[in-house]
Amino acid sequence: KAGVTQTPRYLIKTRGQQVTLSCSPISGHRSVSWYQQTPGQGLQFLFEYFSETQRNKGNFPGRFSGRQFSNSRSEMNVSTLELGDSALYLCASSLESGDYGYTFGSGTRLTVV
Amino acid sequence: AQSVTQLGSHVSVSEGALVLLRCNYSSSVPPYLFWYVQYPNQGLQLLLKYTSAATLVKGINGFEAEFKKSETSFHLTKPSAHMSDAAEYFCAVSDPGGSYIPTFGRGTSLIVHP
Repeated sequence: KAGVTQTPRYLIKTRGQQVTLSCSPISGHRSVSWYQQTPGQGLQFLFEYFSETQRNKGNFPGRFSGRQFSNSRSEMNVSTLELGDSALYLCASSLESGDYGYTFGSGTRLTVV
Repeated sequence: AQSVTQLGSHVSVSEGALVLLRCNYSSSVPPYLFWYVQYPNQGLQLLLKYTSAATLVKGINGFEAEFKKSETSFHLTKPSAHMSDAAEYFCAVSDPGGSYIPTFGRGTSLIVHP
């Protein structure tokens, strides 16, 4: 079956712009989580969506937001981009929650210049 | 609160040698524990998971890990390293009675020499 699909794979944006990243989970998975990965901070949890509702949230500023659609596809948005937002953004899906493990997408590499 | 410590940001082994990647966790409740592997320019792939059943867990690609409550450890091993095992490995812990959101360690880069 198809894996977790993230688009686009690479993005270059300018400071102050906004960006939207997309994630299509494995069919039947209702939980979608987003992580930011950087060399300095490692993997940091952004938020989790389940049945179109944000169920958990990490410690990121309000510039980071997300949503989930009825087909479980999810988007995350970052507004007013800063240089420090440059990172690999990973989407992970699971059936109900991440307690039995995630399936990750290949990520979106965001570079802010 | 839960946390994970992976000892050694880099581990170097020769092809055919034993692989041992260390993970110690902190959790106020019986945890779920995971090992993931990340190859360059890819996402993370689940290697194995401990969810309170057998303490010795076998995963994919010949890896296994043993849950030791007394040592709060969940070290990852493989008897014989292959060149294809070179990657970044992440240990993660979650609270099954709480939010389930796993906390990841900082990762260990496995280098395999011919």
